[in-house]
Amino acid sequence: DADVTQTPRNRITKTGKRIMLECSQTKGHDRMYWYRQDPGLGLRLIYYSFDVKDINKGEISDGYSVSRQAQAKFSLSLESAIPNQTALYFCATRSQAGNTGELFFGEGSRLTVL
Amino acid sequence: DQQVKQNSPSLSVQEGRISILNCDYTNSMFDYFLWYKKYPAEGPTFLISISSIKDKNEDGRFTVFLNKSAKHLSLHIVPSQPGDSAVYFCAAIHFLNTGFQKLVFGTGTRLLVSP
Repeated sequence: DADVTQTPRNRITKTGKRIMLECSQTKGHDRMYWYRQDPGLGLRLIYYSFDVKDINKGEISDGYSVSRQAQAKFSLSLESAIPNQTALYFCATRSQAGNTGELFFGEGSRLTVL
Repeated sequence: DQQVKQNSPSLSVQEGRISILNCDYTNSMFDYFLWYKKYPAEGPTFLISISSIKDKNEDGRFTVFLNKSAKHLSLHIVPSQPGDSAVYFCAAIHFLNTGFQKLVFGTGTRLLVSP
């Protein structure tokens, strides 16, 4: 089983719909992240959380919200999806003890907004 | 403002030869540099890293070189194998005083190793 699990893996939705992407991890890490990947743009940080009570915006947080329901769970919501949010979304985790920046990624959630 | 750049979107190499993937950065405050490898339908996985105080780090077939004066790093894969075919992301990390580690990714280079 994967240490970082994302659901759904693929989702097609319509403009204006609310969508939630979920992430759970069994690594025991305190830090969790949401990235999106777009062709030619690499991975860009949407939100990050250092623990359950700590939520921070990344570089492209507009149009997104997150919830850290427990140390192991971090969900990403699009309240009203728009086509330019079509992308591949990755959840990642990292241990506070790590000092090299190594992230552990989930397998990704491909979202298409029509 | 793309602080980490991978100017080659793709690279093709024959099996057994050397693959050299390049990465340039603009922020001299970066403390660590990392390479991630990504196969289709999978998340990126960590490959190798290097501290900004070093100029070389080697792990088996993979070696990362850092040239701080040129703000350039490269990943060498020797010998290249078909299983190395993947997208490689360069990333750089800056340790901020707040404790947050700002991690910036490049745009990726797709490596194809042909038999």
